[in-house]
Amino acid sequence: DQQVKQNSPSLSVQEGRISILNCDYTNSMFDYFLWYKKYPAEGPTFLISISSIKDKNEDGRFTVFLNKSAKHLSLHIVPSQPGDSAVYFCAAFWGTNAGGTSYGKLTFGQGTILTVHP
Amino acid sequence: DVKVTQSSRYLVKRTGEKVFLECVQDMDHENMFWYRQDPGLGLRLIYFSYDVKMKEKGDIPEGYSVSREKKERFSLILESASTNQTSMYLCASSRQGTLSGELFFGEGSRLTVL
Repeated sequence: DQQVKQNSPSLSVQEGRISILNCDYTNSMFDYFLWYKKYPAEGPTFLISISSIKDKNEDGRFTVFLNKSAKHLSLHIVPSQPGDSAVYFCAAFWGTNAGGTSYGKLTFGQGTILTVHP
Repeated sequence: DVKVTQSSRYLVKRTGEKVFLECVQDMDHENMFWYRQDPGLGLRLIYFSYDVKMKEKGDIPEGYSVSREKKERFSLILESASTNQTSMYLCASSRQGTLSGELFFGEGSRLTVL
């Protein structure tokens, strides 16, 4: 049962244009949504996150949008650069909090390979 | 600079061998995780630990076990490796109380089982 889905295995974009990566989820209990970026032969690195109570979060060229009614989030990269070429993973976090201690885990999507052409 | 270190970047093992994957973090994080990454399947959680000597099954624990004897070290054990365990294994850690779930990952260990 795939609770987090990235339905596009790959995306190709010209340098300077916008990249839009999409993610759908099924569990309405998720508290946070995160995007990770992964280069070949390296571990994933955190990119940006959004709380389930927000609908937008922006950090430089990266903006994440959350549509809770549609259970959909997207990552916008503007402008896209060749160095952005990587695999992008969407992830969702569901945790419980007791006395400041979080008990939870991340569930990842399948990933989308982004290629930005010069 | 925060660091999660996985002991082996590349391993080749034979079917039936016992395999140890070691992970060490220097951030004094309470939470540690083992994921595997496979094409088209993304990252799937194998096991995680919230404290020393404590472990919880993830989504795909079959065929694996873990050990957390010290806070900074989390080991993944394949008791009898099989070809379907050929994969990229990723260790991660996070701080207790991180409500956003942000994880710090190691560089990965690519295991090939022949």
